[in-house]
Amino acid sequence: DAKTTQPNSMESNEEEPVHLPCNHSTISGTDYIHWYRQLPSQGPEYVIHGLTSNVNNRMASLAIAEDRKSSTLILHRATLRDAAVYYCILDYNTDKLIFGTGTRLQVFP
Amino acid sequence: SQTIHQWPATLVQPVGSPLSLECTVEGTSNPNLYWYRQAAGRGLQLLFYSVGIGQISSEVPQNLSASRPQDRQFILSSKKLLLSDSGFYLCAWSDGGTGGATQYFGPGTRLLVL
Repeated sequence: DAKTTQPNSMESNEEEPVHLPCNHSTISGTDYIHWYRQLPSQGPEYVIHGLTSNVNNRMASLAIAEDRKSSTLILHRATLRDAAVYYCILDYNTDKLIFGTGTRLQVFP
Repeated sequence: SQTIHQWPATLVQPVGSPLSLECTVEGTSNPNLYWYRQAAGRGLQLLFYSVGIGQISSEVPQNLSASRPQDRQFILSSKKLLLSDSGFYLCAWSDGGTGGATQYFGPGTRLLVL
């Protein structure tokens, strides 16, 4: 199974952009790249996903490397409410998500 | 719009007692359903998933079982709880498909086994 590697933690100041990296060097051609986040004491929530092209939505942007071996979740202006654990997950074309330990993002005022 | 419900929100049970957690989804039909567990300070572990009524796949051997008696109802059970069953239990649904489907999570049940 293709796995992802993320830093354990990152910090940001409010109103600044945040770039959360994810390495997935063994990704296969049909694996989607998903990002979810989990706020304290809540279930995960969907952030964004993509296959090959960069994606934008109201929450974030997803930049996917040309070789697809890495991706970056971009929060354009971090707020205190963005403090959460962010999970980068590969979907093995089976609709089953395998969560890793994610990146804990701290946002300082 | 679709909503997902889980109950109870919190539960404290003695070791050896039975367990029944319920999850229901509204506003969609024939969803894929999932049970996850998150131990304290850990990531989410997929326990069971279901693509239809009566169809359950177990991802890890354990003390728990799951059932799907109705299209939008998913139940997690145990006959005898262990201390190691403590954790945050999350139900999720998706509209299926191969690849790219978004999963939507419920509010979760915090279970403490004493």
